[in-house]
Amino acid sequence: DTAVSQTPKYLVTQMGNDKSIKCEQNLGHDTMYWYKQDSKKFLKIMFSYNNKELIINETVPNRFSPKSPDKAHLNLHINSLELGDSAVYFCASSQDRASGYNEQFFGPGTRLTVL
Amino acid sequence: AQSVTQLDSHVSVSEGTPVLLRCNYSSSYSPSLFWYVQHPNKGLQLLLKYTSAATLVKGINGFEAEFKKSETSFHLTKPSAHMSDAAEYFCVVSDLESNYQLIWGAGTKLIIKP
Repeated sequence: DTAVSQTPKYLVTQMGNDKSIKCEQNLGHDTMYWYKQDSKKFLKIMFSYNNKELIINETVPNRFSPKSPDKAHLNLHINSLELGDSAVYFCASSQDRASGYNEQFFGPGTRLTVL
Repeated sequence: AQSVTQLDSHVSVSEGTPVLLRCNYSSSYSPSLFWYVQHPNKGLQLLLKYTSAATLVKGINGFEAEFKKSETSFHLTKPSAHMSDAAEYFCVVSDLESNYQLIWGAGTKLIIKP
């Protein structure tokens, strides 16, 4: 039983294309996140949604647009892909956002390569 | 402002010897602290967490960490390393000031020598 799943696992595409990554959690959590991990393994939060409402929107190019159709899903759409977008993107979820007691559960990651 | 410093980018130990991965944090509030592990080409898995209960926290796979407020440290230890422990380890802090966002350390790569 996969708790947080992402598709696809690997994504190779050309510069300028538009692509989407999907994330689903079956934990009943209220909050979901997108992180970007660069080649040096540094993790940076991009977005967070709580019950379908955007609560964290870090300094990310507006080519990145998250969409949460329901609280179990948080998709990431990227327009006009650039070389610098190559990274591993992780989806995560937590019970809620308002407590430090809630750890985040991570998906397996999507390795995006822009050629 | 909160921050997390992992003092070593790489740690290399022989199989069967103790492991020590160091982490220092800064926080103006009572923090929650976590260690996550990432095996090669895998996702992130929670090893253990401290949330103001016992200062010595036991996690999975024989790892433990001790919260020392006076030293602002949360070092990760394991008595005897196993080859399967080779991975990247991240120390993470969360508190009220960050609105409970996770603030991540840069990671420590643990290398296990046979």
